[in-house]
Amino acid sequence: QKEVEQDPGPLSVPEGAIVSLNCTYSNSAFQYFMWYRQYSRKGPELLMYTYSSGNKEDGRFTAQVDKSSKYISLFIRDSQPSDSATYLCAMSFNKFYFGSGTKLNVKP
Amino acid sequence: DSGVTQTPKHLITATGQRVTLRCSPRSGDLSVYWYQQSLDQGLQFLIQYYNGEERAKGNILERFSAQQFPDLHSELNLSSLELGDSALYFCASSGRTQNTGELFFGEGSRLTVL
Repeated sequence: QKEVEQDPGPLSVPEGAIVSLNCTYSNSAFQYFMWYRQYSRKGPELLMYTYSSGNKEDGRFTAQVDKSSKYISLFIRDSQPSDSATYLCAMSFNKFYFGSGTKLNVKP
Repeated sequence: DSGVTQTPKHLITATGQRVTLRCSPRSGDLSVYWYQQSLDQGLQFLIQYYNGEERAKGNILERFSAQQFPDLHSELNLSSLELGDSALYFCASSGRTQNTGELFFGEGSRLTVL
C-alpha cells in the first residue's frame, strides 16, 4: 500500500465549477499537509500548507485535513482555465511523501 | 518565484556522459532535496541533505551522487548516462528546522540524453 494515494484523473470541469481534489494516506504520524500546483514542465508551486487537522482558506482555494479519516482535500471555487494543471498532495513527518498528482482541465 | 535556483535549465548530452546539476536553496534553508520526474510521472525522491550532511536516501542510482557544500548549495552528479535518465530534475529546499512542512521547489533542470 502506498503511503499517499491520489486519483490521477484527468478531471475535466467547465469554467466556474467548484473543483474537489482529494488524497488519502496511511501513516497517522503525518503532521504537515500541502498542496502543490504544477504546470506542464514547470516546478511544483506550493499552494496550501496546513499543520494537523482543520481548514485553511486562501482566496479561491480551501484545504481541508481530516486526520481521523486520513483524508485531505483541496477545493477550488470559481475555477478558471488558468487553474488547468496537475495538483499534487504532499504530507510530511520528518520526510516528505507525494501523491502521484491529479491532472485538472478547466474548459472555457 | 520560490527562491530556489537551479542551473542549467536545459541540458542535452549523449549516453555514457556525465553531468552536474546545481541548486541554490532559499536563503536560510538548511535542507536540500533532489527529485526526479520522468515524463508524465510522479516525483521520485532521490536524496536529501541537511546542513551539509546526507539525511535521507531514496531511489537514487549508484551512478548518481550528490553533495551539499558549506555555503548550502548542492550539486547532483549523474554519470554513465542512459537514455532512461532523461527527465526533469528538481531541487527543493525546506526551512531552518528539520521538520518544517513547507517545501519549495526550483524550476528544474531538464536533462535529455541522446
